[in-house]
Amino acid sequence: QKEVEQDPGPLSVPEGAIVSLNCTYSNSAFQYFMWYRQYSRKGPELLMYTYSSGNKEDGRFTAQVDKSSKYISLFIRDSQPSDSATYLCAMSVDDKIIFGKGTRLHILP
Amino acid sequence: EAQVTQNPRYLITVTGKKLTVTCSQNMNHEYMSWYRQDPGLGLRQIYYSMNVEVTDKGDVPEGYKVSRKEKRNFPLILESPSPNQTSLYFCASTAGGYPHNEQFFGPGTRLTVL
Repeated sequence: QKEVEQDPGPLSVPEGAIVSLNCTYSNSAFQYFMWYRQYSRKGPELLMYTYSSGNKEDGRFTAQVDKSSKYISLFIRDSQPSDSATYLCAMSVDDKIIFGKGTRLHILP
Repeated sequence: EAQVTQNPRYLITVTGKKLTVTCSQNMNHEYMSWYRQDPGLGLRQIYYSMNVEVTDKGDVPEGYKVSRKEKRNFPLILESPSPNQTSLYFCASTAGGYPHNEQFFGPGTRLTVL
């Protein structure tokens, strides 16, 4: 079992819909959980970061962590065509970081 | 402007010809890292450095070398490139000594080894 599992998609949703992106992990030692967004031909950029179970909200984005289930989610409300990108989850403990494979998201106008 | 720069941006080379991809950051960040990104395999860490003269292997270090003689620079060296090292490479830097802080990524270097 890989340490971090993420469905690569692609995921296509209509504009305005709520998007749910998910990752599971196997290493219970992971302490920090991140979501990065990567536009085509660009480097990833940090969207959200959390270190505890529960929800963290930032505008239209909500990151959710369930350490008991080893499951993290990113929700995007009122999705926009500009949200079309690849979303990568990432998890770290001490000096080690592992990225998921990324989910390609298409928001259809 | 705070940024991470990589050079070259594109490189086509042949098997066995040593090459270096440079990475430089102007944010005085301690942590720097190299990743490769491949379709279906995602973003995988090659090497990282928590500070000057401190480097360590990531998940896929075979065939690569790094050095960290100055805080701002973290070059990636391929001593004898092979076709399986054809990939998109990203350098990143992070404030503090750990990767859970925001990583700032460079623009990427697309390498093709023939």
